[in-house]
Amino acid sequence: AQRVTQPEKLLSVFKGAPVELKCNYSYSGSPELFWYVQYSRQRLQLLLRHISRESIKGFTADLNKGETSFHLKKPFAQEEDSAMYYCALRGNTGNQFYFGTGTSLTVIP
Amino acid sequence: NAGVTQTPKFRVLKTGQSMTLLCAQDMNHEYMYWYRQDPGMGLRLIHYSVGEGTTAKGEVPDGYNVSRLKKQNFLLGLESAAPSQTSVYFCASRPTVGTEAFFGQGTRLTVV
Repeated sequence: AQRVTQPEKLLSVFKGAPVELKCNYSYSGSPELFWYVQYSRQRLQLLLRHISRESIKGFTADLNKGETSFHLKKPFAQEEDSAMYYCALRGNTGNQFYFGTGTSLTVIP
Repeated sequence: NAGVTQTPKFRVLKTGQSMTLLCAQDMNHEYMYWYRQDPGMGLRLIHYSVGEGTTAKGEVPDGYNVSRLKKQNFLLGLESAAPSQTSVYFCASRPTVGTEAFFGQGTRLTVV
């Protein structure tokens, strides 16, 4: 069963425009949600996690349990934001991480 | 800090050949994972380990075997490689306390 859904494979926005990367999840329990980012030719790295309620590189994400969503937002996109973004879920047991299919973000100068 | 290191970075195999991918972490993490990354499929969990001497199947375990004889190493084996196993393989590790997973740089495997 698909636990994490990222409906957009590709997303292009202009520099300075707002950006929102969508993530919906399916899990019976209290999962932890994360956003990971993979810049060109680099390893995946944690961008942010819902329990921290932090803003990293201008990105924020709010966990909406009613809509089972964890969308990633940034008010003003920058060229250096161009990357592959993965939404991830860690279940109750904590043993497994489930990843979405990823969204490739391109910020157009 | 080396973090999570994968060996090799690239490999080309012929169908039917076998090979082992090595993942090494120097952070004393209990949990280790092997994923494969395919276009349009995202990252899919192959196998994982919750500690030395333990392994468990993930979402797509068929055709792969793993071993965790030492806490710092997690090996992924392909006994008889198939073209469908052409992919980029990522290893990750995570401590018992804490939620962030740390990833290796990936291994690009091509099976011809």
